Amino acid sequence: DTEVTQTPKHLVMGMTNKKSLKCEQHMGHRAMYWYKQKAKKPPELMFVYSYEKLSINESVPSRFSPECPNSSLLNLHLHALQPEDSALYLCASSRGAGGNTEAFFGQGTRLTVV
Amino acid sequence: GESVGLHLPTLSVQEGDNSIINCAYSNSASDYFIWYKQESGKGPQFIIDIRSNMDKRQGQRVTVLLNKTVKHLSLQIAATQPGDSAVYFCAESPSGSARQLTFGSGTQLTVLP
Repeated sequence: DTEVTQTPKHLVMGMTNKKSLKCEQHMGHRAMYWYKQKAKKPPELMFVYSYEKLSINESVPSRFSPECPNSSLLNLHLHALQPEDSALYLCASSRGAGGNTEAFFGQGTRLTVV
Repeated sequence: GESVGLHLPTLSVQEGDNSIINCAYSNSASDYFIWYKQESGKGPQFIIDIRSNMDKRQGQRVTVLLNKTVKHLSLQIAATQPGDSAVYFCAESPSGSARQLTFGSGTQLTVLP
């Protein structure tokens, strides 16, 4: 299994809603990542989890709250988002966060905030 | 800060021709480089990687060249096919750590029939 699975594929939410994005991998990878990608732009790193601990938060607003329940799962909890938060949210994983670590990406969740 | 950039935002090639996508990087400490392909509506897909102690690496129909002197990376695709149409990103990382992966701005490759 070389897949990173993200659900849902599409999500439309209002600015007062609370929703969660989910990510799962069964490759035994110990590092997992959330990226945000706007249209026609490269992915931008949001969070890094290494061995289920948050190791990097790239100054992401608190309306985005990551959670890593176990080594295979990564969630991103969303609350009080703004329309400018509409984007493709990508989850990725790698063997570790150290050297020679190719990141595998999921298909993303297309989020629209209305 | 350091950045990774691409020379051309778009590239059109005839089916069957070879494609060359270029990337410049500015972080001389970069140790590990990856090319990703992203098709419309999908996540980035790993194509090929190269470490800084190499100057060339070949895969199936793809070759990555690294010129550390001028801090330049290129992806060559042989016999380009319609399925190669996508956005191609180079990404770089100091010390090969994915936690420090920085993506370039991307090149849209269009394969013409």
